[in-house]
Amino acid sequence: EVQLLESGGGLVQPGGSLRLSCAASGFTFTFYSFNWLRQAPGKGLEWVSTISVSGDSTYYADSVRGRFTISRDNSKDTLYLQMNSLRADDTAVYYCANGDYDEYWGQGTLVAVSS
Amino acid sequence: DIQLTQSPSFLSASVGDRVTITCRASQGISSYLAWYQQKPGKAPKLLIYAASILHTGVPSRFSGSGSGTDFTLTVSSLQPEDFATYYCQQLRSYPLTFGGGTKVEIK
Repeated sequence: EVQLLESGGGLVQPGGSLRLSCAASGFTFTFYSFNWLRQAPGKGLEWVSTISVSGDSTYYADSVRGRFTISRDNSKDTLYLQMNSLRADDTAVYYCANGDYDEYWGQGTLVAVSS
Repeated sequence: DIQLTQSPSFLSASVGDRVTITCRASQGISSYLAWYQQKPGKAPKLLIYAASILHTGVPSRFSGSGSGTDFTLTVSSLQPEDFATYYCQQLRSYPLTFGGGTKVEIK
C-alpha cells in the first residue's frame, strides 16, 4: 500500500523556520519525482515545489523561492521541505505527493505562522 | 504563468445526474492536465491524468477529455460519495497551477 506521511508542522512565529518531512513507503521511492503542495484555510490548492527523481532539479513557486528548499534522502525514502523566513500567508496544510501527476498524497501537516 | 479557469465554481446536482465540469487554460497545454477530487478535511485524490487517463481504482463513471486549452471532467451518474470539490491542474510548465475548484453539492 502506498503511504506518504508528513510531519514537522506546527505553530511558528513570523520569521521563524520549520522543516517538514514526508516518509514514503509501499513503492520504490527512487523511481519518482516529488512535490509539495499547500492549501490555506478555506482556499484552493497551491503547488509549492518539485524535486526530480535524481534530486538534481528543483522548482519553486515564486511565493516561496529563496525561502523554501526541497530535498530528498533516497537512503531514507524521505522528502523534506526546509521553510525559512516564514510569513503569515504561509499558513496552510502542506501535502507531499509523488510523481509527475501527484499520484498519491499524504494526509497533510498544518503549518500556522502567527505571533 | 498558465491560468486555469474552472466552471462552474459551484454545482448543485442529484444522485444519478450527469455532471460536467470544464477547465480552460490561458494557453495551450497539450494534454498535460490532471483532475483531483477532495472531500472536506481530506487530502486530494488523483482521478484523471494526461487529460483522459483514469487513475488506478477510479470508477469508470468518471471520464476526462480535451486537449490544448479546453478540458472537461464528466461524471456519468453521480453517486453519493462523489459530492466533493474537484480541481484541475496543469503540468505543462512551471509554475504548476490549479483551477479554482468546483464544489459539487447535493440538490
